[in-house]
Amino acid sequence: AQSVAQPEDQVNVAEGNPLTVKCTYSVSGNPYLFWYVQYPNRGLQFLLKYITGDNLVKGSYGFEAEFNKSQTSFHLKKPSALVSDSALYFCAVRENPGNTPLVFGKGTRLSVIA
Amino acid sequence: DAGVIQSPRHEVTEMGQEVTLRCKPISGHDYLFWYRQTMMRGLELLIYFNNNVPIDDSGMPEDRFSAKMPNASFSTLKIQPSEPRDSAVYFCASSLPGVRGYTFGSGTRLTVV
Repeated sequence: AQSVAQPEDQVNVAEGNPLTVKCTYSVSGNPYLFWYVQYPNRGLQFLLKYITGDNLVKGSYGFEAEFNKSQTSFHLKKPSALVSDSALYFCAVRENPGNTPLVFGKGTRLSVIA
Repeated sequence: DAGVIQSPRHEVTEMGQEVTLRCKPISGHDYLFWYRQTMMRGLELLIYFNNNVPIDDSGMPEDRFSAKMPNASFSTLKIQPSEPRDSAVYFCASSLPGVRGYTFGSGTRLTVV
């Protein structure tokens, strides 16, 4: 069965500093990996995905994520955090190939402090 | 494209009442998903449809929950009778087949008192 772990419930970072939100996954085969962001009172919005190819994936709003197969990780990163990045971030996985639905982590709340 | 549309945005109901949540997916998307979000359990998949056919409802917590998709542009999630522990935010999402992300609606915040 597929699963995702986001080990941190909360991440605090100062504005302008780099940020990392951690994600590890478990699948039987190869993974498709996704990051979503949720702002207050809104639905989840797609940030980026890893399917195959380059291990460093670039997405919306300056975010990127690095796929590490040996560590089964897909950490979300941004070189310089903005206060407006404060939100709830979800990592998700599904198996490749297959049509199984995405399995989401519990989410990590990011707070960027001015 | 108006995106995935859910209604109502907020619902407050008394325990024992029937609640119906509605979802209009993006036109042309043939997958539809219902998720429930709570602080304790995060985002849980309740049921999903492909071409209007329910594929997996193993996430539906009890027989009190039911979902239908009578056509490609409409789905409902019904709770009858509702209980306080059903209080959560319910999201609908749709997608195309293949390796694509989902588009989520804005959710329905359900409070059962």
